[in-house]
Amino acid sequence: EPEVTQTPSHQVTQMGQEVILRCVPISNHLYFYWYRQILGQKVEFLVSFYNNEISEKSEIFDDQFSVERPDGSNFTLKIRSTKLEDSAMYFCASSEEGVEQFFGPGTRLTVL
Amino acid sequence: AQTVTQSQPEMSVQEAETVTLSCTYDTSENNYYLFWYKQPPSRQMILVIRQEAYKQQNATENRFSVNFQKAAKSFSLKISDSQLGDTAMYFCAFVGRPSGTYKYIFGTGTRLKVLA
Repeated sequence: EPEVTQTPSHQVTQMGQEVILRCVPISNHLYFYWYRQILGQKVEFLVSFYNNEISEKSEIFDDQFSVERPDGSNFTLKIRSTKLEDSAMYFCASSEEGVEQFFGPGTRLTVL
Repeated sequence: AQTVTQSQPEMSVQEAETVTLSCTYDTSENNYYLFWYKQPPSRQMILVIRQEAYKQQNATENRFSVNFQKAAKSFSLKISDSQLGDTAMYFCAFVGRPSGTYKYIFGTGTRLKVLA
């Protein structure tokens, strides 16, 4: 069964460094998303991406964040200058039609 | 704005018993979807069950069923014959598209522990 994959599973970085989180969505899906879950809290929407552009972003998704689909298969989330409060689990999701979103296993980001 | 409330932070149930997790939501939309997700210690998000708001019939998926009360904006999850593998965090999610894009609004979760 096709699934969303994410790499790395765990990323440790120093405050102020740039990180890129990678996702490979399910191949025939057209809608892509990033969500964030700070430890012990609920999952929060960050951004949605369709037709090679951002379709919606949350207040969390400020200028430090960017997304890209550099080729036909990858979908990346870049954080330009990480802060301590960026430490969280980041989930990528993809969907064929937008409603049912399939989540990847997540990348745990730790900012020291 | 849509909100999702899960009022039970933690619950426990004996193996083989039945447990119900509650979820309420607030929206002005008429067409939307509701989901329950399971998050085990691995933190993977696993879809448990889905309900379309336009369907009156409650969704069922093996041991999992929902009680969807649209007028009351309530969407509870019933787990029958609970198993140790059901131990996990359970998130209720509302899916609508007030601004044209479907996005998930999650509740704060209920930590369920199944006791042997």
